[in-house]
Amino acid sequence: EAQVTQNPRYLITVTGKKLTVTCSQNMNHEYMSWYRQDPGLGLRQIYYSMNVEVTDKGDVPEGYKVSRKEKRNFPLILESPSPNQTSLYFCASSLSVRGGTGIVEQYFGPGTRLTVT
Amino acid sequence: AQSVAQPEDQVNVAEGNPLTVKCTYSVSGNPYLFWYVQYPNRGLQFLLKYITGDNLVKGSYGFEAEFNKSQTSFHLKKPSALVSDSALYFCAVRDSSGGSYIPTFGRGTSLIVHP
Repeated sequence: EAQVTQNPRYLITVTGKKLTVTCSQNMNHEYMSWYRQDPGLGLRQIYYSMNVEVTDKGDVPEGYKVSRKEKRNFPLILESPSPNQTSLYFCASSLSVRGGTGIVEQYFGPGTRLTVT
Repeated sequence: AQSVAQPEDQVNVAEGNPLTVKCTYSVSGNPYLFWYVQYPNRGLQFLLKYITGDNLVKGSYGFEAEFNKSQTSFHLKKPSALVSDSALYFCAVRDSSGGSYIPTFGRGTSLIVHP
């Protein structure tokens, strides 16, 4: 089954304790992205990756890191989480976003609800 | 720059009635437009998209959307709402020009269908 998986689904942690949220897709997609969803603010992009070893900042990258060492995986790293990073996080992927073949929809993971106390 | 607006935070409709969820956009070139739905405790799911051609686009679950270039709108519609359509709906736009390959999402509209 084609899917995007995220782990963990729920996480409660304390300020300053490093954490990683994993994201994996089995569709051989080039493009992957991380979003956070907050009430009243909708979906905001954190980081994205056009392909392996190519990452770039989205709209709200502060406090986050990513890496893309393999095509299927795109982990989100919070080196020193703070309470303002409490949010619902989504990973997404698509075949490509470039050129005429890139006008494709994204596939989203089920979400990770993070609480930082 | 590209932007998208969903002017209604919430839309209420009775089951069996037609529904409309509004979306307006701003782009420099031509728009590529998408609608996604998010059911409770789930990720976003793709509903439909407009790239070019017929202004009326049909998608999943009986939804359709009408592209209106003069009004820069892409409203989501369904002739007869179901209670199970209650969810959060997101519109997204990508500009065909300007080099941005990344879509911008609206803030979402909560659709509530009453029995």
